[in-house]
Amino acid sequence: ILNVEQSPQSLHVQEGDSTNFTCSFPSSNFYALHWYRWETAKSPEALFVMTLNGDEKKKGRISATLNTKEGYSYLYIKGSQPEDSATYLCAFIEGGSYIPTFGRGTSLIVHP
Amino acid sequence: GAGVSQSPSNKVTEKGKDVELRCDPISGHTALYWYRQSLGQGLEFLIYFQGNSAPDKSGLPSDRFSAERTGGSVSTLTIQRTQQEDSAVYLCASSLSLFRRAETQYFGPGTRLLVL
Repeated sequence: ILNVEQSPQSLHVQEGDSTNFTCSFPSSNFYALHWYRWETAKSPEALFVMTLNGDEKKKGRISATLNTKEGYSYLYIKGSQPEDSATYLCAFIEGGSYIPTFGRGTSLIVHP
Repeated sequence: GAGVSQSPSNKVTEKGKDVELRCDPISGHTALYWYRQSLGQGLEFLIYFQGNSAPDKSGLPSDRFSAERTGGSVSTLTIQRTQQEDSAVYLCASSLSLFRRAETQYFGPGTRLLVL
């Protein structure tokens, strides 16, 4: 069983704050890492797919970095807005596998 | 274009009854995945299809669970003799191909199953 950990489990911030959270995964046999955003009562939505050590991806105020050698990825949100409130999931894909292993997610609540 | 759809959106059933959950993937997507999220847990992989074939059924939690896919499109997940621990959100996702493992998965809205 692969160990994919996300921290913190939940986070409350004020509108305008910048925040970040972590996804940790096995540092050996890496293939890809996905980040998804899951808003309540909606479908999980893809944010980024990262495949190379040192990858940095950006989408608006959200960005992500990847360190495959040490087995972690950071997701950053700059200037959080209430509409950013959601659960953020990472999914690790091991080399040779077709099955992503999801972390339990970080629940972000942005207070106006 | 149309996304992944799932039906029903909510299902309440009595312990011991059978339920059938349906997933309609994005047209042209050959890979289809089923997951579930129980209360307080992460997304748990159940089964995947490439076309109509499901080569790995080891993620299904018990032999009460089965899944099929016909015509390379619609998939049904059947739970027989439901138990209270089957209560969860069941999510379906599709992607262009199983073999493009870095490909984004597109998720449906889920079926919320409650077993009384």
